[in-house]
Amino acid sequence: EPEVTQTPSHQVTQMGQEVILRCVPISNHLYFYWYRQILGQKVEFLVSFYNNEISEKSEIFDDQFSVERPDGSNFTLKIRSTKLEDSAMYFCASTRGRGKDTGELFFGEGSRLTVL
Amino acid sequence: SQQGEEDPQALSIQEGENATMNCSYKTSINNLQWYRQNSGRGLVHLILIRSNEREKHSGRLRVTLDTSKKSSSLLITASRAADTASYFCATDAALLSGGGADGLTFGKGTHLIIQP
Repeated sequence: EPEVTQTPSHQVTQMGQEVILRCVPISNHLYFYWYRQILGQKVEFLVSFYNNEISEKSEIFDDQFSVERPDGSNFTLKIRSTKLEDSAMYFCASTRGRGKDTGELFFGEGSRLTVL
Repeated sequence: SQQGEEDPQALSIQEGENATMNCSYKTSINNLQWYRQNSGRGLVHLILIRSNEREKHSGRLRVTLDTSKKSSSLLITASRAADTASYFCATDAALLSGGGADGLTFGKGTHLIIQP
């Protein structure tokens, strides 16, 4: 069964360092997302990506964040200068996106980011 | 604005009992979905109910949707220890862009504990 894969599963970094989280969405999906979940809290939308550009982004997704799909399969989230409050689980998701509404999202297992 | 707020925040029941979780939202939606998350894992889609549907079943799951009250409920019948997880509702807002561009908005979740 196709699945969304994410790497690394856990990354520890020093405050101020750059971090790249990688995702391989399901191959025939058209919409890609990053969400984050601070420990024990709600799942928060960061950004959606379609047709090689950002579709929507939340207030959380400030200038420190960027996304790209460099090679048609990987979908990456970059945090340029990490802060302590960036510590969270980051989830990648994808969906086929048929019709006018958002259908089922397929999530990866997440990348846990710890900023020290 | 907050979408998809679940109630209760935590629920502990005995194995074999039914578990009911509620979700309220604020804006018009295309659909409402329920997801499950085991501790430290990714989210897994359970069921989707469209705005023109009132009730939907999938195995031991029953979902209702009341668009006039902007609320939904998830019922898990004959609960099992393996149902222990967090359950999230997620809404697809009926915005003009549609088609998956906006992703889903998740609530804070209900943490369900099934005691053997």
